[in-house]
Amino acid sequence: LAKTTQPISMDSYEGQEVNITCSHNNIATNDYITWYQQFPSQGPRFIIQGYKTKVTNEVASLFIPADRKSSTLSLPRVSLSDTAVYYCLVGRGGSQGNLIFGKGTKLSVKP
Amino acid sequence: NAGVTQTPKFQVLKTGQSMTLQCAQDMNHNSMYWYRQDPGMGLRLIYYSASEGTTDKGEVPNGYNVSRLNKREFSLRLESAAPSQTSVYFCASSTGLAGLLNHNEQFFGPGTRLTVL
Repeated sequence: LAKTTQPISMDSYEGQEVNITCSHNNIATNDYITWYQQFPSQGPRFIIQGYKTKVTNEVASLFIPADRKSSTLSLPRVSLSDTAVYYCLVGRGGSQGNLIFGKGTKLSVKP
Repeated sequence: NAGVTQTPKFQVLKTGQSMTLQCAQDMNHNSMYWYRQDPGMGLRLIYYSASEGTTDKGEVPNGYNVSRLNKREFSLRLESAAPSQTSVYFCASSTGLAGLLNHNEQFFGPGTRLTVL
């Protein structure tokens, strides 16, 4: 299973763009990169998934370089409500049991 | 749609007691999962069910049993609770289908906070 490494915590201010980078040196050919968001006292929520290059949805963008050994979640113009823990996961898109949630990155957005 | 529901929301047990955590989903998903989350930690997979009638161990299955009662319901049982099982338990479900256009996104329930004294 591909292990991921991401910063334990990050601070930002409202209105700024936040980039959270995840390292996954041992990513396999069939693996996708998925990000989840978790608010306190809630279960995680899917944000975005990608395989290579760039993926964008209404919430975030995901940048994946050609070697796929890392990825960057970009949150545009964060607000206080974006304060949460963000998890980077690597695994097959259709996999059932081999997604591993690490400790995630705790993002704190300040006014 | 209620999504994924879990009962109870809170539970306090004494060491050695048993209990079953219930989980149900109304999204017609094939796959269901049980995770535990300890304070300040990520989620760890206990058991999962890829489809109705099948169950498999995850990362931390010891001390737990599961039952996939039907397509909607997936229960987690603690036969003899221990203080080390104090945690927040999350149930999740996903379509379980592979494919380039399918994220197999997991939908999580609100969690059950369990304390074992």
